[in-house]
Amino acid sequence: GAVVSQHPSRVICKSGTSVKIECRSLDFQATTMFWYRQFPKQSLMLMATSNEGSKATYEQGVEKDKFLINHASLTLSTLTVTSAHPEDSSFYICSAREIAGVNEQFFGPGTRLTVL
Amino acid sequence: KQEVTQIPAALSVPEGENLVLNCSFTDSAIYNLQWFRQDPGKGLTSLLLIQSSQREQTSGRLNASLDKSSGRSTLYIAASQPGDSATYLCAVLYGNNRLAFGKGNQVVVIP
Repeated sequence: GAVVSQHPSRVICKSGTSVKIECRSLDFQATTMFWYRQFPKQSLMLMATSNEGSKATYEQGVEKDKFLINHASLTLSTLTVTSAHPEDSSFYICSAREIAGVNEQFFGPGTRLTVL
Repeated sequence: KQEVTQIPAALSVPEGENLVLNCSFTDSAIYNLQWFRQDPGKGLTSLLLIQSSQREQTSGRLNASLDKSSGRSTLYIAASQPGDSATYLCAVLYGNNRLAFGKGNQVVVIP
């Protein structure tokens, strides 16, 4: 149980285009989903917290207009990187927390974004 | 702000030796602490989760301890195997459900 999927696993895009990444909780309902990014040999940094049906809360320094987050249902959150640039190239990982859990987040397999 | 430090950043051990990985955090007001494994280019695999009221958790060859008052956790891996080669991440849950991660211990087990 507690499986989280992400799609796509890898994406390469041209500078200036937008990319959408999906995060799904497959066998549980998640009121809260989290988006992280990870640079090589660095720790995961929380970008934003999204709650179903409400606006996402962004961490300091994360541009909300650049990283659009939509948590439309209890099993799906999307991250759209708008007008992507090479510096946005990174590993993006989502996690989800069950409605009635023990404060544990379950992580997706990650999405490798490369912007040319 | 919660800061998590993992020492050593990287280590290599011969197969069969026990591994000791250290994690420290600055704010002892945590809900829980979790150890993850991450293989190159992959996502996170949860290994052990220790609630703030617990002092240790065990799973097979893995044992993790938590000393909340001193802000420390140690992950022990007994009788290491080449398949244990990976990066091990420590994370603490604090504040408003925020997870703070360390940079990881990169482990290589030499056959």
